[in-house]
Amino acid sequence: KQEVTQIPAALSVPEGENLVLNCSFTDSAIYNLQWFRQDPGKGLTSLLLIQSSQREQTSGRLNASLDKSSGRSTLYIAASQPGDSATYLCAVRGGANNLFFGTGTRLTVIP
Amino acid sequence: EAQVTQNPRYLITVTGKKLTVTCSQNMNHEYMSWYRQDPGLGLRQIYYSMNVEVTDKGDVPEGYKVSRKEKRNFPLILESPSPNQTSLYFCASSQRRTSGAAETQYFGPGTRLLVL
Repeated sequence: KQEVTQIPAALSVPEGENLVLNCSFTDSAIYNLQWFRQDPGKGLTSLLLIQSSQREQTSGRLNASLDKSSGRSTLYIAASQPGDSATYLCAVRGGANNLFFGTGTRLTVIP
Repeated sequence: EAQVTQNPRYLITVTGKKLTVTCSQNMNHEYMSWYRQDPGLGLRQIYYSMNVEVTDKGDVPEGYKVSRKEKRNFPLILESPSPNQTSLYFCASSQRRTSGAAETQYFGPGTRLLVL
């Protein structure tokens, strides 16, 4: 069964810093990997989706990479802002089209 | 506006009293799924549906039922709720690629359920 791990569980950074969130998964047979953002009491918002054949995706200040063979993905956030404070989740889609989530990294950007 | 809606948003019930949480999407998506989110365990998939009349078990299907009679709706049914089903529930939908893989997931706002 696919296991998805996100480290660290929580992270605090001063505004303006660049930061990297990590995601690892145990089974490399995936269709795609998706990064989400969750605000307290809210649903999930999709940030980036990387297909298994891709190495990275970019959207604004966000860049996600995927190394399928080593079972790793990173989410890079440039020039962090207080509005980036949220929990970030990664999820991998397996061969049966089911989706496995990590437990998330809670990010706090301090003004 | 493209969205996934869930009702109710909050629900308090008692053990054994059947309940249904509705989910509807207006994006003509083929793929829909239900998740529960619990502290320390993250989101876990309950059931998913690749298309009308096609449903499959996810990671934690015990105690739940689903149906997919129409493309836009995917209700979650708890026939006899128990306290361990107290959780935050999310419905999601996505388009499917020709390869069959589901694309970007769009999530509903969540339903917070408390079973006494």
